[in-house]
Amino acid sequence: DAKTTQPPSMDCAEGRAANLPCNHSTISGNEYVYWYRQIHSQGPQYIIHGLKNNETNEMASLIITEDRKSSTLILPHATLRDTAVYYCIDLYGNNRLAFGKGNQVVVIP
Amino acid sequence: SAVISQKPSRDICQRGTSLTIQCQVDSQVTMMFWYRQQPGQSLTLIATANQGSEATYESGFVIDKFPISRPNLTFSTLTVSNMSPEDSSIYLCSVGLLAGGADTQYFGPGTRLTVL
Repeated sequence: DAKTTQPPSMDCAEGRAANLPCNHSTISGNEYVYWYRQIHSQGPQYIIHGLKNNETNEMASLIITEDRKSSTLILPHATLRDTAVYYCIDLYGNNRLAFGKGNQVVVIP
Repeated sequence: SAVISQKPSRDICQRGTSLTIQCQVDSQVTMMFWYRQQPGQSLTLIATANQGSEATYESGFVIDKFPISRPNLTFSTLTVSNMSPEDSSIYLCSVGLLAGGADTQYFGPGTRLTVL
């Protein structure tokens, strides 16, 4: 079962930063947090992952709290194409991903 | 990342028949996984496809229903056997690659299966 908690849905304004929260209070010290998104039943797309430090790539930034109990995915300038279900996930045994219900993010013009 | 392809992309099948789904990756990978996504639901891991040995199935999934082959490090198949309408789902394969210090999974486009 997923060990992360996300809001079921949220709306974001096009062109503004989208901040997607995730709680993972039971994550262990050496487990990474991964973010994926799924656009309309396509295969999930990897976005970013992190352990303790904040991370940034061409898609997004990941801010992890110092106690590692929560994180925030930031899409710096949301576009309509960012409308998707976003999953915050950690691994369990032997590199297996446990997908929860995710956060349905809708970018509004 | 990796380029992952699946065949077929979609199919409509009759109950009681079987369908084999192929997953091909453009580089050698150690870890391959098969997932199911039922309509309106999230992804559920079916099994880990192990090269050279039997697949490792998650709770609720059995080899007789979902036999898996992994003949080499770039290819795997999942068979959905004796299908019923409840097997209508999207089936996805993923591969694990080391990226940024951690094993990261990349997913194929999926196979959309409808069982009548």
